[in-house]
Amino acid sequence: DAKTTQPNSMESNEEEPVHLPCNHSTISGTDYIHWYRQLPSQGPEYVIHGLTSNVNNRMASLAIAEDRKSSTLILHRATLRDAAVYYCILMGAAGNKLTFGGGTRVLVKP
Amino acid sequence: EAQVTQNPRYLITVTGKKLTVTCSQNMNHEYMSWYRQDPGLGLRQIYYSMNVEVTDKGDVPEGYKVSRKEKRNFPLILESPSPNQTSLYFCASNRREGTGELFFGEGSRLTVL
Repeated sequence: DAKTTQPNSMESNEEEPVHLPCNHSTISGTDYIHWYRQLPSQGPEYVIHGLTSNVNNRMASLAIAEDRKSSTLILHRATLRDAAVYYCILMGAAGNKLTFGGGTRVLVKP
Repeated sequence: EAQVTQNPRYLITVTGKKLTVTCSQNMNHEYMSWYRQDPGLGLRQIYYSMNVEVTDKGDVPEGYKVSRKEKRNFPLILESPSPNQTSLYFCASNRREGTGELFFGEGSRLTVL
């Protein structure tokens, strides 16, 4: 099963960008890269996903390496409400068996 | 409103007393799945289902059962709960693999004494 590796934690100042890396060297050609975040006492919520091309939405941007073995979630201007654990997962065509990595805890300092 | 609903949200029970955590989604999603979350271990998948009557094991299926008799419901059954099943449980659904975003429920905190 495809695995993802993320740093345990990252800190950022409010209003500054945050770049969250994820390594997924065992990714297969049909795996989509998904990002979720979990706020305290809540279930994870969807942030963004992509296959090969970089993606933007109102929450974040996703930059995918050309070889697809890594990706970076970019929060353009961190706010205090962005403090959460961010998970990178691969979702593929082999069914819905998903393995979450440990996630990255993001701390935003005012 | 699109949602995944879990019940109960909180439960304290005793070892060996069978319990069921229900999960229902109103988005007509094919896929549903269960996860447990423990400190330091992140989210681990227990079981998943790709459609009615189609289920398969995730990473930590021991001690759990599931059924998918209707598309909208995916209950998690603990036939004989043990203290090591004390955890925070999440149900999720998605439209299909790959492009389908996962929608999570609010979680069910289970304590087994």
